[in-house]
Amino acid sequence: KQEVTQIPAALSVPEGENLVLNCSFTDSAIYNLQWFRQDPGKGLTSLLLIQSSQREQTSGRLNASLDKSSGRSTLYIAASQPGDSATYLCAVMSSGGSNYKLTFGKGTLLTVNP
Amino acid sequence: GAGVSQSPSNKVTEKGKDVELRCDPISGHTALYWYRQSLGQGLEFLIYFQGNSAPDKSGLPSDRFSAERTGGSVSTLTIQRTQQEDSAVYLCASSLSGGALYEQFFGPGTRLTVL
Repeated sequence: KQEVTQIPAALSVPEGENLVLNCSFTDSAIYNLQWFRQDPGKGLTSLLLIQSSQREQTSGRLNASLDKSSGRSTLYIAASQPGDSATYLCAVMSSGGSNYKLTFGKGTLLTVNP
Repeated sequence: GAGVSQSPSNKVTEKGKDVELRCDPISGHTALYWYRQSLGQGLEFLIYFQGNSAPDKSGLPSDRFSAERTGGSVSTLTIQRTQQEDSAVYLCASSLSGGALYEQFFGPGTRLTVL
């Protein structure tokens, strides 16, 4: 059974700092990995989708890497801003199944202080 | 264009009552998912619909839970005889098709509280 772990559970940084969020998964047989952002009381916003054949994806100040063989992904946020404050969720789509469901970590709560 | 929409946004019910939650996927998306987000449990998969195929119900926690998708579009998740442990945020997602290439886009969720 696939399990996804995110470290740290919470992170507080001053504005302007670069930061890294970590995600690990137990079964490396995945189709893809997706990073989401969730604001309080809101749904999920997709940030980056990395296919299993890819090593990284970039969008603006965000960069996500994937090391499938070691079961790890990182989300790098450059020059953090207070508007980046949210919960960041990592999710993997395991191969071998037919339902293409996502298995989620419990998230990292990020607070960026002005 | 419009994203995934869900209704109601909040639902408070008494234990033992039935509830229906609605999801309108993005137009043209053939794949639809329901997930549940409970305090301390994280997000868990419930059910998957792809086109007109039989749904994958492997994530439903009990036979009190059921879902249908009419006309390959709108979906309804029904919880019968609600229990307090059913309290959670129920999230719907859709993607262009089932498969590894397609991002899942999530709705804002329905917060269910069972008293």
